[in-house]
Amino acid sequence: GAGVSQTPSNKVTEKGKYVELRCDPISGHTALYWYRQSLGQGPEFLIYFQGTGAADDSGLPNDRFFAVRPEGSVSTLKIQRTERGDSAVYLCASSLAGGITGELFFGEGSRLTVL
Amino acid sequence: KQEVTQIPAALSVPEGENLVLNCSFTDSAIYNLQWFRQDPGKGLTSLLLIQSSQREQTSGRLNASLDKSSGRSTLYIAASQPGDSATYLCAVRPQETSGSRLTFGEGTQLTVNP
Repeated sequence: GAGVSQTPSNKVTEKGKYVELRCDPISGHTALYWYRQSLGQGPEFLIYFQGTGAADDSGLPNDRFFAVRPEGSVSTLKIQRTERGDSAVYLCASSLAGGITGELFFGEGSRLTVL
Repeated sequence: KQEVTQIPAALSVPEGENLVLNCSFTDSAIYNLQWFRQDPGKGLTSLLLIQSSQREQTSGRLNASLDKSSGRSTLYIAASQPGDSATYLCAVRPQETSGSRLTFGEGTQLTVNP
């Protein structure tokens, strides 16, 4: 596609439920990133994929959060037993090079609200 | 731990003014710095990327400078327009890792009044 695509754009769920958020990166981009943005804050790093593997998952807040990228393209962020504090906009980004020279291109985000 | 601060948090100016947004970072060991624009309810749009070896980058009415040793960057917007109203975020990438973990500031919310 022309840009990074994220679905759903909005998700409302109840506390304790399971949620999946999907990211479709720019075609040909090998690196994929997930960030989380709370209201009035800058985005915070969650996880980075180079190809199919998670090169850095040190930003995941706890073991309720997990992400996969099985074929090196689309990625899914999975949140188990959601809590109200998980409410935020989840942003996905991709880059061509993946190395430290790669400029990041962001999607429009998935807004998660946990009631 | 890298910390990025943006000043001011909010700025309101009349159309046509030139303005400067400031970004500072605590660890000068960065590889590059990127300025983004974020419209309400939208994702981030990359504006300018400055490598650590560069002093500035320009794109149209935007000019970003980098003083790595002092841990500062500025984004200069010339002849501001109402369409420039948005939140502007700066982010730094560290030297020691290969490709991950941009650290963002909290942004400057800019309003340009017609």
